[in-house]
Order: sequence, then structure tokens, then C-alpha cells
Amino acid sequence: EIVLTQSPATLSLSPGERATLSCRASQSVSSYLAWYQQKPGQAPRLLIYDASNRATGIPARFSGSGSGTDFTLTISSLEPEDFAVYYCQQRSNWPPGYTFGQGTKLEIK
Amino acid sequence: EVQLVESGGGLVQPGGSLRLSCAASGFTFSSYDMHWVRQATGKGLEWVSAIGTAGDTYYPGSVKGRFTISRENAKNSLYLQMNSLRAGDTAVYYCARGGPLGAFDIWGQGTMVTVSS
Repeated sequence: EIVLTQSPATLSLSPGERATLSCRASQSVSSYLAWYQQKPGQAPRLLIYDASNRATGIPARFSGSGSGTDFTLTISSLEPEDFAVYYCQQRSNWPPGYTFGQGTKLEIK
Repeated sequence: EVQLVESGGGLVQPGGSLRLSCAASGFTFSSYDMHWVRQATGKGLEWVSAIGTAGDTYYPGSVKGRFTISRENAKNSLYLQMNSLRAGDTAVYYCARGGPLGAFDIWGQGTMVTVSS
């Protein structure tokens, strides 16, 4: 099973600052890597798929990069509504399955 | 509006069974893979099962042999039959649509399952 490790566990920043979140896979996941945002009491929301493609309706301040085992989610200038928990997720072809990272909590400094 | 609405959660004793349902609307349900993903309180996300458009099913080891995913395209509905439930299965269960390249692009609001005596 592919393990995804996210860092840092918690990131404390102020509105307007740049956020960089990391996701490292235990083996190559090609580009089947997605990012989600989850706010308290809500379902996750897809932000990025295929490592770097923004989902429908996602603001341009969110961007994803990386390939193989190392991936990054960048939020260029934090808005108040961006403070949430972020998860990365991969799909493996064999054995067929999906795994999530443990999450990064982005909190207001 | 594209929407997924789960139902069927509740309190069940260890060893018991529960069947979750997910009603889909606003898209051609039969054309999409569908998934169940769960989240224990205060914890991360865990993929629970998937069903393809052809009815092929997939499970992680933690639920294989105990959970069964199924779909009824005529009713735009997804199901999860959960048997031999354990305390560790306590979580919010989300229905999710299979999106591009292995992502989950639409999520329901979730239904809570509590396994306790």
C-alpha cells in the first residue's frame, strides 16, 4: 500500500501570506494525486487533480505541482476562508485502491 | 444541481449490520464510478469501497469480506451493506463521485455510523 505523508502537520500563517503544503508518497504515484480542502462540519472539497489541474470553480490562488513521489499545494495569498484542513490523495492501479495523507491543518497566526 | 445525499446511518451494536444509501441527482449516475469514504471523529479520511460503471468492486483490507458496495442505476442510488461491524467502523460515511484521474469530485454531506453497545 502506498503511504502518503503530509507536512507540516500544522501551519500557522496570516492572511495575505503564501502557504506551501507538502505531500510525499512512499513510492511513485505517477500524477494520480489530488488535493482536498475540508472545513469543520463539512465534506471535503476537491481542489486539485492530476497533481496540477484545478477543479471547477477553484480560485487561481490555489496551485499544485510535483510528480513521482513529491507534491506541493501552494496558496499564493491566503484569504480568511482558506484556513482549513488539507488532504492529499492518490490512486494506485495495483492493488486497486486509494489512500489519503493524514492532513495539514492551516490555521490563522 | 449535482448532488449526493446519504442516509441510513445510526447506532448499531458490535457485530451488527447496517445499510447505507446514497441518492444521486443532477448527473448521469450510470456513467460514473462511485465510492464510499469514511472519517472517524477528529481523524483523517479513509477510502472504504468503490464500484465501477460495469459493477466491478474494490475494497481495502480493513473492510474486505465485511462490507459490500452496490449500485442501482435505474434509481440513481448507491449502497453500502456493512456487516460484522466493529467499534473501529464508527465514523461519518461519505458517498463520493469518481472524478478525473482517480480524484473524488463530488461529495455528499455524510451520514454518521456509531458502533457501540
